[in-house]
Amino acid sequence: GNSVTQMEGPVTLSEEAFLTINCTYTATGYPSLFWYVQYPGEGLQLLLKATKADDKGSNKGFEATYRKETTSFHLEKGSVQVSDSAVYFCALSEGSYIPTFGRGTSLIVHP
Amino acid sequence: DTEVTQTPKHLVMGMTNKKSLKCEQHMGHRAMYWYKQKAKKPPELMFVYSYEKLSINESVPSRFSPECPNSSLLNLHLHALQPEDSALYLCASSPSGGNGELFFGEGSRLTVL
Repeated sequence: GNSVTQMEGPVTLSEEAFLTINCTYTATGYPSLFWYVQYPGEGLQLLLKATKADDKGSNKGFEATYRKETTSFHLEKGSVQVSDSAVYFCALSEGSYIPTFGRGTSLIVHP
Repeated sequence: DTEVTQTPKHLVMGMTNKKSLKCEQHMGHRAMYWYKQKAKKPPELMFVYSYEKLSINESVPSRFSPECPNSSLLNLHLHALQPEDSALYLCASSPSGGNGELFFGEGSRLTVL
């Protein structure tokens, strides 16, 4: 079956540091890949997505590239802000369209 | 309007109470979902409605009863809950024929005493 593996958190960074959150997946076919973000006290919201190999999703300074050869979709940002503190979920969707979520990675950014 | 609206935002109930959570979307999406999320965990799928018909029930206990009165509304009726049911309940929707992207509400924080 499908699965998503995310790095364990929390990830703690200082403001303006570079961020990478690793995500790898297992799927039988050609899934769509997503990063969702959940700010404290809120629901999940889509941060970015990619629907085919080599696509790059980007939003709010975050980027992730769909790498079929390494089955990865790592999230990166060049300079994080305190307001980026949240939980980040990697997810994939294939076939039935019900997404499979990773465990989530908590990001804490200090001033 | 791209929102999924959930009410109430917070709910405290006793184990003998009956209450309902409500969800509304006006994006024309024909699939709607209930998820349960415990602290520091990913959301767990409970129910899926497709074209107002229940299509997936992830073996959820019968003390949770979903209802989809029309294509814009989704309810979750709660009865005889247990303290371990305390969680954030998230509603989501998606367009038919979509690629799996979900649009989430902000959730209803439920505490069962």
